[in-house]
Amino acid sequence: QVQLVQSGAEVKKPGASVKVSCKASGYTFTKYAISWVRQAPGQGLEWMGWISAHNGNTDYAQNFQGRVTMTTDTSTRAVYMEVTSLRSDDTAVYYCTRDLVGAAGTGWWFDPWGQGTLVTVSS
Amino acid sequence: QSVLTQPPSVSGAPGQRVTISCTGSSSNIGASYDAHWYQQLPGAVPKLIIYGNNNRPSGVPDRFSGSKSGTSASLAITGLQAEDEADYYCQSYDSRLSAVVFGGGTKLTVL
Repeated sequence: QVQLVQSGAEVKKPGASVKVSCKASGYTFTKYAISWVRQAPGQGLEWMGWISAHNGNTDYAQNFQGRVTMTTDTSTRAVYMEVTSLRSDDTAVYYCTRDLVGAAGTGWWFDPWGQGTLVTVSS
Repeated sequence: QSVLTQPPSVSGAPGQRVTISCTGSSSNIGASYDAHWYQQLPGAVPKLIIYGNNNRPSGVPDRFSGSKSGTSASLAITGLQAEDEADYYCQSYDSRLSAVVFGGGTKLTVL
């Protein structure tokens, strides 16, 4: 079955960086993009951006431009998301999710989701 | 605040029907971008339950249905069950922001 498995929880100090991995299985890796979505404690979902597993093209949400880098390694079927200059309000669960696109080109949706990686930023 | 507006909470008794609204604008749902819905059970990962406005993925009960009209979308749940108690999020694409956008989420309580 299609599955996304993420790396484990991280605790970082303000100003540090964190890199989260997401390993895909059960489908042709290069046929789909991967998005990252985060959820702060008790809050809603926030899209961070996506990366094409085919050619590594990226598109980041405006809130994260300059602080987020997404990369892919087709040999290991893995996607990575790095956030730099961490602040306390970056404390959240970070999810990777596969992008699905309709034939009409009227947007895309997410299925499945990884299990989530809790990143805690605290001094 | 979120680009897509959802009520913070809704509730219903077992067996009843509830609807959750998702109000957007002319740059997202009103611009013919589809609405999609996710269910997040307590402590769990979000799960896709409706895509492309009104399509259910395999395995999602037909008690869940979606619709879209103008700048809004709706999720309806019929025959409410205790296991439906969760947070529900709508999602679309916004052309002005060039970004995927989510609603703020609606907490469904089964009385």
